[in-house]
Amino acid sequence: EVVLTQSPATLSLSPGEKATLSCRASESVDRYLAWFQQKPGQAPRLLISDASNRATGIPDRFSGSGFGTDFTLAISSLEPEDFAVYYCQQRKIWPPLTFGGGTKVELK
Amino acid sequence: EVQLLESGGGLVQPGGSLRLSCVVSGFTLRKYAMSWVRQAPGKGLEWVSAISGSDETTFYSDSVKGRFTISRDISEDTLTLQMNSLTSADTAVYYCVKASTQTNMILEYWGQGTLITVSS
Repeated sequence: EVVLTQSPATLSLSPGEKATLSCRASESVDRYLAWFQQKPGQAPRLLISDASNRATGIPDRFSGSGFGTDFTLAISSLEPEDFAVYYCQQRKIWPPLTFGGGTKVELK
Repeated sequence: EVQLLESGGGLVQPGGSLRLSCVVSGFTLRKYAMSWVRQAPGKGLEWVSAISGSDETTFYSDSVKGRFTISRDISEDTLTLQMNSLTSADTAVYYCVKASTQTNMILEYWGQGTLITVSS
């Protein structure tokens, strides 16, 4: 199965700062990688599909990039509501669909 | 508006069974693949099972294969997960998830989840 490794595990930042999250796949997943945001007590929400396509209603401060094995989610200027856990997920080689372990973006 | 409403969670003893339901609205199950994804307390996300929209092909993770069964009732707008031989490792919040097409696995919409606790 494709293993997704997210780094860092925790990112401590202040509002207005830029966040850069990484997701590395154990083998190529082409562009078939998605990013999700999850806040405490809530279901995950799709942010980005196929590496760089923002989902409906997602602000343009969120952007995704990458291909193959290395992917990045960038949040250009953190808003208070962006502090959350972020997961990547691949759909190139499945079953199983696999998720990364998550990156927590916390308030510094 | 797409809505997904899970039910059926609760406390069950090891070795027991439980049936989860997900009633959907705003779309028809015939046109979209669906998945179940779970999250153990304080842990990350784990994909459990999926069913294609077109021909009802089913897929399972190795951890649940042979114990869980995914199915759907289009007339009732309901996705179901039958879970047997439950163990403590199955304790988690289970999410019903709609994909963006009949076969791709872009996990577009998520329900709020239902908690399963396996304990004696």
